[in-house]
Amino acid sequence: GNSVTQMEGPVTLSEEAFLTINCTYTATGYPSLFWYVQYPGEGLQLLLKATKADDKGSNKGFEATYRKETTSFHLEKGSVQVSDSAVYFCALSKGYSTLTFGKGTMLLVSP
Amino acid sequence: GAGVSQSPSNKVTEKGKDVELRCDPISGHTALYWYRQSLGQGLEFLIYFQGNSAPDKSGLPSDRFSAERTGGSVSTLTIQRTQQEDSAVYLCASSLGDRDEKLFFGSGTQLSVL
Repeated sequence: GNSVTQMEGPVTLSEEAFLTINCTYTATGYPSLFWYVQYPGEGLQLLLKATKADDKGSNKGFEATYRKETTSFHLEKGSVQVSDSAVYFCALSKGYSTLTFGKGTMLLVSP
Repeated sequence: GAGVSQSPSNKVTEKGKDVELRCDPISGHTALYWYRQSLGQGLEFLIYFQGNSAPDKSGLPSDRFSAERTGGSVSTLTIQRTQQEDSAVYLCASSLGDRDEKLFFGSGTQLSVL
């Protein structure tokens, strides 16, 4: 079946540091891949997505590239801010919009 | 409404009682999803509605769990004879259609079973 594995947190960084959150997946066919973010006290919201191999999703300075050969979709940001502190979820779709999520990675950014 | 609305935001119940959780999706969104978020377990898919029908109920953990959607809008998730392991945050999401893939989530209902 489909599954998503992402690195365990929390990830603790200083402001302006480089961020990588690893995500790998197992799926049949060619899923779409997503990163969702949950800020403290808020609902999950879509951060970025990629629908086919080699696509790069980007938003708010975050990027992730769909790597079919390594079944990965790692999230990166060149310079994190305190306001990026949140829980980040990697996810894939089953062909319609029902998503399979990873367990989430908490990011804590200190000034 | 402006976003997905869930009620109640918090529910404390005793083991063995039934609970109903409500979700009001974004107006015009035909697809509706229920997920469960447990500590350390991430998000677990429960059920998906397209209109009033549920093509995928594969995530419901047991027959104590059921959900319905009426008028293509509001959905209710019912848990009968609650158990302590049912304690979690229950999240509802909606999307414009089932191929849209951008889900809009509510803030969830925190369920605590004592």
